[in-house]
Amino acid sequence: TQLLEQSPQFLSIQEGENLTVYCNSSSVFSSLQWYRQEPGEGPVLLVTVVTGGEVKKLKRLTFQFGDARKDSSLHITAAQPGDTGLYLCAGAGEGGGGNKLTFGTGTQLKVEL
Amino acid sequence: EAQVTQNPRYLITVTGKKLTVTCSQNMNHEYMSWYRQDPGLGLRQIYYSMNVEVTDKGDVPEGYKVSRKEKRNFPLILESPSPNQTSLYFCASRARGGPSYGYTFGSGTRLTVV
Repeated sequence: TQLLEQSPQFLSIQEGENLTVYCNSSSVFSSLQWYRQEPGEGPVLLVTVVTGGEVKKLKRLTFQFGDARKDSSLHITAAQPGDTGLYLCAGAGEGGGGNKLTFGTGTQLKVEL
Repeated sequence: EAQVTQNPRYLITVTGKKLTVTCSQNMNHEYMSWYRQDPGLGLRQIYYSMNVEVTDKGDVPEGYKVSRKEKRNFPLILESPSPNQTSLYFCASRARGGPSYGYTFGSGTRLTVV
């Protein structure tokens, strides 16, 4: 079973601060996805990274896939209250396991005014 | 609007009473999947389907059944629910084309088994 560990589990910061969330595994993934989930709703896809070393930017969010495709990070610049939510990373296995996503346990982010 | 629709949103039932949670998607997606979300354990896959009549077990399939008779529908069946199946359930779908395609999730079904 592939495991994904996210850190930190909880993060409470002030508006305007920067933060980084980490997603680590001992397994190699063919791709890594990041989702954001708000209370009472299902996760919503933010980005997919596929190539080792890949960096993608989505406005103030920067996503990086590790060179060995075992880890990923999400960096938020100048956080805003609208960024509050549960951030989940999810890895797709290689080969036949590619149809299954393994989710991390999540990072609960709260951004206060 | 492209979406995954689950019903019901909330359900309280008693131990042993069979129930079905419906899931329907309007995006013509080949892949569909069921997850449960529990505090401290994250999202765990129950079953997934790669196409009509093709289903396979995920990480926690015990106590659940699924069927995929039509492309758009993927119901989750609990033949004899038990309290340890109290959880938040999500249905999700994605297009064929490789795992880099992200899943679209439904809004969830909160199930309580007493």
